[in-house]
Amino acid sequence: DIQLTQSPSSLSASVGDRVTITCRASQTVSRYLNWYQQSPGKAPKLLIYASFTLRSGVPSRFSGSGSGTDFTLTINSLQIEDFATYYCQQSYSIPLTFGGGTRVEI
Amino acid sequence: EVQLVESGGGLVQPGRTLRLSCAASGFTFDNFAMFWVRQAPGKGLEWVSGVTWNSGEIAYADSVKGRFIISRDNSKNSLYLQMNSLRPEDTAVYYCTKGAHPVGGLIVPSDHWGQGTLVTVSS
Repeated sequence: DIQLTQSPSSLSASVGDRVTITCRASQTVSRYLNWYQQSPGKAPKLLIYASFTLRSGVPSRFSGSGSGTDFTLTINSLQIEDFATYYCQQSYSIPLTFGGGTRVEI
Repeated sequence: EVQLVESGGGLVQPGRTLRLSCAASGFTFDNFAMFWVRQAPGKGLEWVSGVTWNSGEIAYADSVKGRFIISRDNSKNSLYLQMNSLRPEDTAVYYCTKGAHPVGGLIVPSDHWGQGTLVTVSS
């Protein structure tokens, strides 16, 4: 199975900050890396798929990059609704594994 | 509007069985792969199982292989998860999710999620 390691596991930020979360795969996943946002008590939401493709309706302050084993999720100008937990997921091979999550706190 | 509504969760003793259901609406159900993803209390996400649009391909996480069975009924727009030989470590919220791309295989992200159903395995 492909292991995904996210860093940091948590971070503190302020409204307006730029935040960067990384996800490292134990082997190549090409571009097949997705990012989800989960607010407390809610189901996850897909933000970005295939490394950098923004899902329709997701604000443009979210962006993704990377290929192979190293990926980044960037949130520009953090908004109050962005305080949540973010997960990466690889859709390169079965089982579709998730990273451990990054909690973005105020 | 895509809707996924899970049901069937509850408290069950170790070793017993439980069947989860997911009622789907708002999209052409038989065009998309469907999945179950779970989240133990206070923990991260774990992909459990997936089934392609025509049930031609099915896969399971090692942690549930041989105990859980995923199935779908395209005539009823429904997804199921038969959970046998339940263990305390299966305690989690179980989410039904929809594959993001039509037809194809299981290697796709999930673009819609239900609200989840809680399964608690305890004596």
